[in-house]
Amino acid sequence: AIQMTQSPSSLSASVGDRVTITCRASQDIGDALGWYRQRPGNAPKLLIYAASHLQGGAPSRFSGSGSGTDFTLTISTLQPEDFATYYCLQNYDYPWTFGQGTKVDIK
Amino acid sequence: QVQLVESGGGLVKPGESLRLSCAASGFTFSNYYMNWIRQAPGKGLEWVSYISSSGESSDFADSVRGRTAISRDNAKKSVYLQLNSLRAEDTAVYYCARSYQYKSGWSPGFDYWGQGALVTVSS
Repeated sequence: AIQMTQSPSSLSASVGDRVTITCRASQDIGDALGWYRQRPGNAPKLLIYAASHLQGGAPSRFSGSGSGTDFTLTISTLQPEDFATYYCLQNYDYPWTFGQGTKVDIK
Repeated sequence: QVQLVESGGGLVKPGESLRLSCAASGFTFSNYYMNWIRQAPGKGLEWVSYISSSGESSDFADSVRGRTAISRDNAKKSVYLQLNSLRAEDTAVYYCARSYQYKSGWSPGFDYWGQGALVTVSS
């Protein structure tokens, strides 16, 4: 199975900060990478698909980049609702696998 | 609007079985692959299973393979996950989620999720 390694596992930030989360795949997955935000007690929500495409309804402050094995999620200006856990997902090959998550909390 | 509603969760003893259901509305159900993803308490996300739009193909995570079956009824717009020989480590919130699969095999991932059903395995 393809392993997805996210970093950092947690970070503290303030409203208005720029935040970057990275995800590394154990093999080339092209652009088959998505990013999800999960608020406490809620289901995950798709933010970015195909590495860099903003999902409809997702705020434009979210952007994604990368291809192959290295990917990045950037939040340009952190908002209160962005304090949550973020997961990357490779959907290149089954079993689809998630990164271990990055928890973003308030500094 | 797209809605996915899971049901059937609950408390079961080790070794027992449980069937989860997911009722879909607001989209053409028969066009989408359906998936189950789980999250153990305080842990990350784990894909469990998928079933193709027609129901002809499916796959499972190694952690549940041989103990789990997935099925769908396109007329009822529902997908089911049969969990057998349950273990304590199967305790989790189980989410159903849809994914669109293009003929090329490419998919944009899980674009809609249900709110989840809690399965607790404990004696």
